[in-house]
Amino acid sequence: NAGVTQTPKFQVLKTGQSMTLQCAQDMNHNSMYWYRQDPGMGLRLIYYSASEGTTDKGEVPNGYNVSRLNKREFSLRLESAAPSQTSVYFCASSEALWAGGPAKNIQYFGAGTRLSVL
Amino acid sequence: DAKTTQPPSMDCAEGRAANLPCNHSTISGNEYVYWYRQIHSQGPQYIIHGLKNNETNEMASLIITEDRKSSTLILPHATLRDTAVYYCIVRVAGGGSNYKLTFGKGTLLTVNP
Repeated sequence: NAGVTQTPKFQVLKTGQSMTLQCAQDMNHNSMYWYRQDPGMGLRLIYYSASEGTTDKGEVPNGYNVSRLNKREFSLRLESAAPSQTSVYFCASSEALWAGGPAKNIQYFGAGTRLSVL
Repeated sequence: DAKTTQPPSMDCAEGRAANLPCNHSTISGNEYVYWYRQIHSQGPQYIIHGLKNNETNEMASLIITEDRKSSTLILPHATLRDTAVYYCIVRVAGGGSNYKLTFGKGTLLTVNP
């Protein structure tokens, strides 16, 4: 049971390059999320997808785009990477966004993608 | 969501119980207490959640005071692999804009051999 799988695990980019971070979950969850975590800071929500076919901005969406490809997959794209986007990126999923009670709102996280932009 | 206060760090001897406190004095009646942890270089991991009753699962126990203003996460027999940052999060379940998890600074638990 893989849970939430993120690829790649590590990536180094030059300023201005583009790339897509991939995320897939095998728990049949409806909702998926992208967070970033900078040193000494908590998680900040970039984008989320309440269900297949929907995406919404989180706290720090600038410089990113997302695609909910299907129920399993939620990708994060950096169109023109900047040094300020150097961070660890985590994908998470939950059974529901907020409805259905506390157990359905539990978010399960992937192992992260460590991105450096030079 | 209510604000939480946790000690920045704690130590525990291997094999002993680790008791991690969390203060959430402004908690509302419909807010749950969730605990997550983050082992170095890994993604956050859900541990347990509760509303007002004590809860136990295979990982830990959660004790919530009767007035719900504080709680304690108990790892009954801490191992070296339990060394991590532990986050106490209070959030409404089942409604509102609580889709994001707000992690504070948490408690760094160091389990010593």
